[in-house]
Amino acid sequence: DAGVTQSPTHLIKTRGQQVTLRCSPKSGHDTVSWYQQALGQGPQFIFQYYEEEERQRGNFPDRFSGHQFPNYSSELNVNALLLGDSALYLCASSLGYGQGFQPQHFGDGTRLSIL
Amino acid sequence: GENVEQHPSTLSVQEGDSAVIKCTYSDSASNYFPWYKQELGKRPQLIIDIRSNVGEKKDQRIAVTLNKTAKHFSLHITETQPEDSAVYFCAARQKKSSGDKLTFGTGTRLAVRP
Repeated sequence: DAGVTQSPTHLIKTRGQQVTLRCSPKSGHDTVSWYQQALGQGPQFIFQYYEEEERQRGNFPDRFSGHQFPNYSSELNVNALLLGDSALYLCASSLGYGQGFQPQHFGDGTRLSIL
Repeated sequence: GENVEQHPSTLSVQEGDSAVIKCTYSDSASNYFPWYKQELGKRPQLIIDIRSNVGEKKDQRIAVTLNKTAKHFSLHITETQPEDSAVYFCAARQKKSSGDKLTFGTGTRLAVRP
């Protein structure tokens, strides 16, 4: 049973560039959430996708955007990168909302470093 | 929005002793409270969770208690072992009509001394 997989594992970019991170949910899951985890902090919610639509969004600027594909996989895009965007980006999958208390399972994350 | 506070930020215990981590939340609409363990360089792993209609849940050496009136919940680890050393995060889930999100605490770094 494949868990949540994310790619790439590490990425180095420079300020002003754009980046795309990818996530494949755990088998059987249809909902994907993205979180940003700065060093020494708890994960911060970016947004959640279900049925290919953004369902809820945290306090992140429009530079952060996403997409969900028909196979439930998802991408996180960040434009005009800033030094403060350096963090671990975590993807979590779950089995839909409105279906009870379904836990979110995390991937290993993508470590993004901005120079 | 929801705000989750977690204490203490660091905790050191002797192997075999108990450890307690406490969290408070602000939004009375939050209805699900998971705890995650994150070892260095690894993914957060769900270790136990509790729903708002339950006051206590136990799984072997780990237990979680919830006080909805006071809006706080706690993680209890008994008979601690060196492999329990990690950062622990509490979280609260807000269930809204168009999605749900987890709001995390700031984490507790637990060190178990052999």
